[in-house]
Amino acid sequence: EDQVTQSPEALRLQEGESSSLNCSYTVSGLRGLFWYRQDPGKGPEFLFTLYSAGEEKEKERLKATLTKKESFLHITAPKPEDSATYLCAGFNQAGTALIFGKGTTLSVSS
Amino acid sequence: NAGVTQTPKFQVLKTGQSMTLQCAQDMNHEYMSWYRQDPGMGLRLIHYSVGAGITDQGEVPNGYNVSRSTTEDFPLRLLSAAPSQTSVYFCASTLSAGTTVYTFGSGTRLTVV
Repeated sequence: EDQVTQSPEALRLQEGESSSLNCSYTVSGLRGLFWYRQDPGKGPEFLFTLYSAGEEKEKERLKATLTKKESFLHITAPKPEDSATYLCAGFNQAGTALIFGKGTTLSVSS
Repeated sequence: NAGVTQTPKFQVLKTGQSMTLQCAQDMNHEYMSWYRQDPGMGLRLIHYSVGAGITDQGEVPNGYNVSRSTTEDFPLRLLSAAPSQTSVYFCASTLSAGTTVYTFGSGTRLTVV
């Protein structure tokens, strides 16, 4: 069964305290892995697409990396405005739909 | 503003009632989909469409019906609402099946009592 698993479920950080979120996947014939950000009461917003092992993408304080088995979202010196739920997703085998993990809820306090 | 528009934002239904959640996009996207989001369950795919006149089932299609008569619109119909359908529903679109940047609507929060 195609599956995307994220850990931890929740993460509390102090402002400036760097950390990483994990996404592991068992999607057959994986055709890329994607990160989205979701703020409370809103729909998810696209962050990154990663296609091959070793690939890295950066945006402000966020850097996404991909290995053969998992992806990491590194958050460097986070700020309170980085507080959100971060979702990882991969295509199903047919490539017709995104399968999402349950997300990691990040809280950054000042 | 270009994007995905969902209506209504909030809805309360009684068990057994039917209703239609509306979704419209103005980006000329071929692919549209419906997800439901429940606490602890994440986003789960209900139905999707790769183009006008073509729809298919996702992971949790039971109790829902869709049609795609135009490129812009992809309504989701609840045939006979049940408390288990209490959820937040998101519509998403992208240029075509297999492209990676999905644009999501702001969601419809549905409560079935």
